[in-house]
Amino acid sequence: EAGVTQSPTHLIKTRGQQATLRCSPISGHTSVYWYQQALGLGLQFLLWYDEGEERNRGNFPPRFSGRQFPNYSSELNVNALELEDSALYLCASSLSIGNQPQHFGDGTRLSIL
Amino acid sequence: RKEVEQDPGPFNVPEGATVAFNCTYSNSASQSFFWYRQDCRKEPKLLMSVYSSGNEDGRFTAQLNRASQYISLLIRDSKLSDSATYLCVVNVGSQGNLIFGKGTKLSVKP
Repeated sequence: EAGVTQSPTHLIKTRGQQATLRCSPISGHTSVYWYQQALGLGLQFLLWYDEGEERNRGNFPPRFSGRQFPNYSSELNVNALELEDSALYLCASSLSIGNQPQHFGDGTRLSIL
Repeated sequence: RKEVEQDPGPFNVPEGATVAFNCTYSNSASQSFFWYRQDCRKEPKLLMSVYSSGNEDGRFTAQLNRASQYISLLIRDSKLSDSATYLCVVNVGSQGNLIFGKGTKLSVKP
């Protein structure tokens, strides 16, 4: 069974640009979550999508946004990139039933120059 | 108070040692509990879910005390390959997202 896949692996951008990160969940999983892990910090929750709807978002500015497609894959968009957006962005997926564990992709390492 | 608190370590132990990690969480509405491990610059991987009755998976034993809002992980006969950061993770349920502790780093030495 294929795990959660994320692309690209690495992304280099400059301040003010926009970044798009992509995620495909495990087959059968309808919930997708996005997390940010900045260097030396813990994982911080960004967004939760389930059945195409945004269900919850973390304490991040509106320039962090995303969407979930009918096939349950998801995009994370970050506008007006700032230096502090440099981080590992992790996508996770789970079944939407109950409190299921989440399974993570390898992440996209976003570097802002 | 942080939502999930762990001793940051590092714990440096010899091969074969038994090591215990502790974690406390602040939200009494928390519904599910997990331990993940994260290798350097890699994604977190689910190690085990944690149940009130306690559960064991080989050399790993996890315990949950809801009254004290306390979670533990015991690793017996530690191996070099156990070297990683261990993350205590809580799910409040209605919010969907996992809440991560900052992790405890374990280094197992030969």
